[in-house]
Amino acid sequence: RKEVEQDPGPFNVPEGATVAFNCTYSNSASQSFFWYRQDCRKEPKLLMSVYSSGNEDGRFTAQLNRASQYISLLIRDSKLSDSATYLCVVFMEYGNKLVFGAGTILRVKS
Amino acid sequence: EAGVAQSPRYKIIEKRQSVAFWCNPISGHATLYWYQQILGQGPKLLIQFQNNGVVDDSQLPKDRFSAERLKGVDSTLKIQPAKLEDSAVYLCASSFASTGIGTEAFFGQGTRLTVV
Repeated sequence: RKEVEQDPGPFNVPEGATVAFNCTYSNSASQSFFWYRQDCRKEPKLLMSVYSSGNEDGRFTAQLNRASQYISLLIRDSKLSDSATYLCVVFMEYGNKLVFGAGTILRVKS
Repeated sequence: EAGVAQSPRYKIIEKRQSVAFWCNPISGHATLYWYQQILGQGPKLLIQFQNNGVVDDSQLPKDRFSAERLKGVDSTLKIQPAKLEDSAVYLCASSFASTGIGTEAFFGQGTRLTVV
């Protein structure tokens, strides 16, 4: 089993739609979780940090379910500019290292 | 605040040649990571430093890759000799903390390596 798994997509949604991505992780001791956004041919950029049960920033909401070992990212009112790859990242307490999922591709269309 | 600096941005070399990448992390960030990202995949950790010590290099192909962070600030990653499958983007990232709050990493723009 991979340490961090994501549905690769692509998710093709119309503008204004609500879309959700899930990410599962293998190490139940993990305490810190992040969502990064990566545009084509660019570096990953931090979107949200999740240290407790969840976090909200405008149209973006991240939720953590420790019992089921998954993190979700919800995007409301999708914009064309939201089109990107969304990377789920888990800080693994053993080894103190950040492990990335393969990413989920989102395409928002007009 | 200045971000993570990397150079060069692009590099094209022939197989069996050597290449080196440089990274200067955000000031005050003790943890430095080198990741390899192949097209269509998520970043894969190659090596992690805490100050000038190696925390994890379990996925670094040590027969051809080496990295150092001698003074606990900037770092270099070297490949010698390069293989075709080394073609990828090499990303450097840094974070303030090694555990707990502040472990989120900030990335440089990366070096796109093409081995021909």
